[in-house]
Amino acid sequence: VQLVESGGLVVQPGGSLRLSCVVSGFTFDDFTMYWARQVPGKGLEWVSLISWDSNVIHTATSVKGRFTVSRDNSKDSLFLQMNSLTTEDTALYYCAKGPNSVSDCGGGSCYFESWGRGTQVTVSS
Amino acid sequence: SYDVTQPPSVSVSPGQTAIITCSGDELGDKYVSWYRQKPGHSPILVMYQDNKRPSGIPERFSASNSGNTATLTISGTQVMDEADYYCQTWGSATLIVFGGGTKLTVL
Repeated sequence: VQLVESGGLVVQPGGSLRLSCVVSGFTFDDFTMYWARQVPGKGLEWVSLISWDSNVIHTATSVKGRFTVSRDNSKDSLFLQMNSLTTEDTALYYCAKGPNSVSDCGGGSCYFESWGRGTQVTVSS
Repeated sequence: SYDVTQPPSVSVSPGQTAIITCSGDELGDKYVSWYRQKPGHSPILVMYQDNKRPSGIPERFSASNSGNTATLTISGTQVMDEADYYCQTWGSATLIVFGGGTKLTVL
């Protein structure tokens, strides 16, 4: 299983960025996928979840209305469109694989089975 | 929003048992996962659905979840276990919640 994130850059406040995550080693469209982030030296924060068929999408309150997750199963790729960026969005962004196609957290299927190495997003003027 | 709390740090001598807690309101009614993160590396899953170990995680790792507290236990702690450990569960307003992390020092 491999997950490789890309697209992280230095961007000005108010700017936009699109992150990508290309996966290999598993059947991408069989799994729920996640984005999470981590400010250097700080803890982990969940950002977004997308079901295998894109029918279920959940986004953290801190980024709702600004960040949009999507996926292209034909290209084994996950994306995160980030708009209206602020300095508080500066972080290392991880792509992660769920354990199955289920996106029901109450049933115990919301956890991060495998993680990528992350891509750094820096929002600064 | 739902919050879970971890102690900032835990220290243990090599060979002893390390216990890391994660506390939240009626946490025992939710599933909890645990992750280990070493400096400069991505997190890795060490426990899921309260007490299940992924393949490749040593048997010295165990976990439980009851009442308001989930616990990660590392028996016979080794120097290689030194890392940050995060618990994770789910909430309502914020779907997925991480604890603040616990720095495990083995000395």
